Amino acid sequence: ETGVTQTPRHLVMGMTNKKSLKCEQHLGHNAMYWYKQSAKKPLELMFVYNFKEQTENNSVPSRFSPECPNSSHLFLHLHTLQPEDSALYLCASSQDLGVSGFNEKLFFGSGTQLSVL
Amino acid sequence: ELKVEQNPLFLSMQEGKNYTIYCNYSTTSDRLYWYRQDPGKSLESLFVLLSNGAVKQEGRLMASLDTKARLSTLHITAAVHDLSATYFCAVDGQGGDDGGSQGNLIFGKGTKLSVKP
Repeated sequence: ETGVTQTPRHLVMGMTNKKSLKCEQHLGHNAMYWYKQSAKKPLELMFVYNFKEQTENNSVPSRFSPECPNSSHLFLHLHTLQPEDSALYLCASSQDLGVSGFNEKLFFGSGTQLSVL
Repeated sequence: ELKVEQNPLFLSMQEGKNYTIYCNYSTTSDRLYWYRQDPGKSLESLFVLLSNGAVKQEGRLMASLDTKARLSTLHITAAVHDLSATYFCAVDGQGGDDGGSQGNLIFGKGTKLSVKP
C-alpha cells in the first residue's frame, strides 16, 4: 500500500465511450500528477496539479480531461479515445515545497491499465 | 528540452555478479531520482540524489550523482534474484537550462534487469 489508490485497475473501452479514472492520496501531499506509461515510450508526464491548480499540461490531447476537486483527489476523464491511447496510466503525489524547495520523491499508485478497442 | 538516457535498457546478469546502470541527462539539474518497478506493480522510490557527489546506498544498491558530467550510476553488488525489476532514473526538469517546469520529472526509458541463478 503506497498511500495512493487508483481505480479501476483495468479498463477496456470503445472509442466512443466516456470513462473516468480516479486517484486518491492519503499522504497529505499538495501536488498530484498523471503519467502515461506505454511500451514504446518512457513515462510521460501528462498533468500536474499543485494546491488544486493545474500547473502543467504537456500538450495532452483534449480527449483527456483532468479534474482536481481537492488536494486528495484527482480524476482523468476520457472520451473518444484512440487505440494508441492504450497504456498504463499512473497517478502520483508529492509534497511540493514550491519556490523555497524542491519536489520530493513521487509516490505512485498501482495504475490503471487502459485498453481502447 | 531535457532528455534522460539510460543504458543498458536490458540487462541479464547472474546472481553474485556486480553491474552498473548508467543515467545521462542533457541539461543542468541537481536533483535525480531512482525508481524501481516490478512487473504489474507501481513505481517505488529508491533514492533521491540532491547534490553533486551525492552517494546513497540501500542494501545491494548504491546510487551516485555527478552533476558536472550529468551522470548518475546505480551500482548493483552481488546481485540476487529479488532485484529483478525495471529501474528508472528521473531528473527534475525544474530549473534546467531550458527553464523547466515545476513538478516535472523526466524519466528515462528504464533498465529491465533480470537476475538469473
